[in-house]
Amino acid sequence: QSMLTQPPSVSGAPGQRVTISCSGGSSNIGADYHVHWYQQVVGTAPKLLIYGNRWRPSGVPDRFSGSKSGTSASLAITGLQAEDEADYYCQSYDSSLSGLVFGGGTKLTVL
Amino acid sequence: EVELVESGGGLVQPGGSLRLSCAASGFMFSISAMSWVRQAPGKGLEWVSHISGSGGTTNYAGAVKGRFTISRDNSKSTLYLQMNSLRADDTAVYYCAKVGTTGTAFRFDNWGQGNLVTVSS
Repeated sequence: QSMLTQPPSVSGAPGQRVTISCSGGSSNIGADYHVHWYQQVVGTAPKLLIYGNRWRPSGVPDRFSGSKSGTSASLAITGLQAEDEADYYCQSYDSSLSGLVFGGGTKLTVL
Repeated sequence: EVELVESGGGLVQPGGSLRLSCAASGFMFSISAMSWVRQAPGKGLEWVSHISGSGGTTNYAGAVKGRFTISRDNSKSTLYLQMNSLRADDTAVYYCAKVGTTGTAFRFDNWGQGNLVTVSS
């Protein structure tokens, strides 16, 4: 069981806005460790999408945004496009495990 | 451009050993922390191990501690993962990743293409 909890799936129509939640606890997100997000298209390696809670690496469209509050974080995608269909993972550090942890992943389906 | 190319995967029997390699280029390897991350078939991502740029600091996930050893050869810009006492639940695609160390939690800035390790008799 992951230390970070994500919904297994979300969906939205093209053009819509969707959010993916990442719920943690006092030993990870709540301890003020940064949250990062990755996008993994089927059959490919993951790609860094958001780092440091809300920053986008060069080349990532501004349709993607991240936020964090308390023991949770969220990834928002606006103007949904077919190419956004992928699995999304949050990641942070957990002090009780002394290691890096991922959420279980969320499959985004573009209807 | 950062490039990470894994090799060394394949089929191994339970209890056996395997060494993965990751050839790096396009960045200053010797000052870059690196990690291995794995993904079991149809499952999510799992951090496996981390090594500092100098190789002096290493960390392991509980599931592999005592069985896996991460190392690096900075003269060859290559990262390694020695896997011993392999079990069926070690079956996964193994990714090497360049680690970003700014901020309060390390992150995985760049990823290799992945290398499949299958543990089965």
